[in-house]
Amino acid sequence: QKEVEQDPGPLSVPEGAIVSLNCTYSNSAFQYFMWYRQYSRKGPELLMYTYSSGNKEDGRFTAQVDKSSKYISLFIRDSQPSDSATYLCAMDTGRRALTFGSGTRLQVQP
Amino acid sequence: DAGVIQSPRHEVTEMGQEVTLRCKPISGHDYLFWYRQTMMRGLELLIYFNNNVPIDDSGMPEDRFSAKMPNASFSTLKIQPSEPRDSAVYFCASSSSPGLLNTGELFFGEGSRLTVL
Repeated sequence: QKEVEQDPGPLSVPEGAIVSLNCTYSNSAFQYFMWYRQYSRKGPELLMYTYSSGNKEDGRFTAQVDKSSKYISLFIRDSQPSDSATYLCAMDTGRRALTFGSGTRLQVQP
Repeated sequence: DAGVIQSPRHEVTEMGQEVTLRCKPISGHDYLFWYRQTMMRGLELLIYFNNNVPIDDSGMPEDRFSAKMPNASFSTLKIQPSEPRDSAVYFCASSSSPGLLNTGELFFGEGSRLTVL
């Protein structure tokens, strides 16, 4: 079993929709939780960073962490075609090397 | 800043050949990571360095893979001999030690796409 599980999609939504992306994990030592966005043929870029359980909001993006359920989510409001990309969750125990989910491919249709 | 620079961007080689991938991290970053990305396995950590010293190489698939970081501004990942199953995109990333104003974010290069025939 992988340490981090993520539905690969693809997920196709109309412009303006609310998108929900999720990951589950098995390693209770994970303390830091991130979402990276990767455009086609590019390297991943950090989108959101959270530490501990709770919500964090940044513009149209909200990251949620539920450590008791070992479950993290990323919500995108008012989705735009420019949001079309692969979204990877990533986790860290504090050793600085991230463990990534396999990524969910998102397509926002205009 | 130019960001993390990787070369070559694309490499096509034949089975059994030696492959060398190169990485120049962001100046001032003290961590360097090599990841491999495939459709089947996603993004996997191969090895990472701190201050040019390998910290964890448990992700290196087998002895055919080796990585070096001779100085703070250069690292190589070598595959010898290469096999078709090594075909993937190899990413180098760098980060600085987390402080009050940063999270230790990983900055990725654009990747080296390797095809072994």
